[in-house]
Amino acid sequence: SQTIHQWPATLVQPVGSPLSLECTVEGTSNPNLYWYRQAAGRGLQLLFYSVGIGQISSEVPQNLSASRPQDRQFILSSKKLLLSDSGFYLCAWRNDGQGVYGYTFGSGTRLTVV
Amino acid sequence: GENVEQHPSTLSVQEGDSAVIKCTYSDSASNYFPWYKQELGKRPQLIIDIRSNVGEKKDQRIAVTLNKTAKHFSLHITETQPEDSAVYFCAASMQGAQKLVFGQGTRLTINP
Repeated sequence: SQTIHQWPATLVQPVGSPLSLECTVEGTSNPNLYWYRQAAGRGLQLLFYSVGIGQISSEVPQNLSASRPQDRQFILSSKKLLLSDSGFYLCAWRNDGQGVYGYTFGSGTRLTVV
Repeated sequence: GENVEQHPSTLSVQEGDSAVIKCTYSDSASNYFPWYKQELGKRPQLIIDIRSNVGEKKDQRIAVTLNKTAKHFSLHITETQPEDSAVYFCAASMQGAQKLVFGQGTRLTINP
């Protein structure tokens, strides 16, 4: 069965510090991968998605970046965090093989920038 | 591109009553419509979905209806229970599209 792992679960970082969040998927190949951010009490904001190794599409211009160094690994990074980067970061995967269209989300990382 | 509007943004119902959340979509080519439930502090989880070749789908107390002509779909929860309290998101996608487009979410509160 497929599983998605996301870590860390919580993170407190000072303004101006770097960020690296990692997401890995097991039990599937060539998944579509997604990074979402959710501010407190708000909706799901798509940040980046990837349909293959090295292929990154950015939805919102900001100080974040994403990379996909391996088929089942998706990384969200920042060189210098802003207070506005605080939020709940969710990784998700989707396999469009044979009628499967829904996302499966990881457990999320709650980031607080102080 | 696709746009999904979700209403209401908040909904409060008495335990045992029914709850209905509605979404409209803009792209008539969309053919897949999932609903996600997000409990406080947790990840969104798929609770039910419907494809455009079906008008209604039920799973115990949850049902989703789709009106392709009007381009709207709805989530119906009957006999609501306290554990139904959560934020619910609708979404839409077309075959071959690389991403889902989500609605803004509905915060459902079940009052005992």
